[in-house]
Amino acid sequence: QTVVTQEPSLTVSPGGTVTLTCGSSTGGVSRGSFANWFQQKPGQAPRPLIYSTVNRHSWTPSRISGSLLGDKAVLTLSGVQPEDEAEYYCLLYFGDTFVFGPGTKLTVL
Amino acid sequence: EVLLVQSGAEVKMPGESLKISCGASGYRFTSYWIAWVRQVPGKGLEWMGSIYPGDSDTRYSPSFRGRVTISAAKSSSAASLQWSALKASDTAYYYCARMDYTSSWKNVDYLGQGTLVTVSS
Repeated sequence: QTVVTQEPSLTVSPGGTVTLTCGSSTGGVSRGSFANWFQQKPGQAPRPLIYSTVNRHSWTPSRISGSLLGDKAVLTLSGVQPEDEAEYYCLLYFGDTFVFGPGTKLTVL
Repeated sequence: EVLLVQSGAEVKMPGESLKISCGASGYRFTSYWIAWVRQVPGKGLEWMGSIYPGDSDTRYSPSFRGRVTISAAKSSSAASLQWSALKASDTAYYYCARMDYTSSWKNVDYLGQGTLVTVSS
C-alpha cells in the first residue's frame, strides 16, 4: 500500500514564505511522479495549483511555485496572504494510478 | 470555457444502487481523462480511478476496484460513477476531474462542483 506523506499542519505569518513537502513511502519523489498540488478551502471543491511538479495553471499566482527538493516534491508559497489559509493536497503518480497525500493545513497567523 | 457539471445531491439507503454523473463541455470530451475523487466530510481526498472516453480505457485505484464502476458516454459527453449496493461508508462528496495524461505530463486542471452522496437508513 503506497503512502504519500505531507506535514499535518504548518503556520506562517502574513508576508512570509512557507514550504510544504510531499513524500512517498515507496521511495523518492521524482519528475516521474508528476506531482500535482491542490488548494482546498472549507466548503469548496479543490482548486488545482501546480501540475507535473513545476507547472503553474493559468490562474495560479506567480508567488506559488512547485519544485523537487531531495526526494520530495515541494510547494512554496511566498509573500503569503491571509487568503492562502487552506488545506493543501499533493497528488502523486504511481504507474496506473494516483495517490493523494493526507493534506497540510496551512494557517496564516 | 471548460466546465464539469455534476448531478445533484443524493440520499440513499444501504443496499440501494446509484449512478452519479459529470457532464463535460468546452473541450473535446474524448481527448482527456476523467477521474473521480472521494472526500468523506472532514477528511482528505482519495483518488478512485479514471477513464479515457476516447477508448473507454478505465483504471481503478486498488482501494476502489470492484466497489464502483466508472463509465463514459461519448454521445452525451458525460462520465458516470456507479454503485450496485451502497454502504453507509460510501457517504462522501464525489468530485470529477479532467486530466491531461501523456508520457510527459499529468495535469489535473478542472474539477466539478462535487456531488454529496448520503447513505443512511
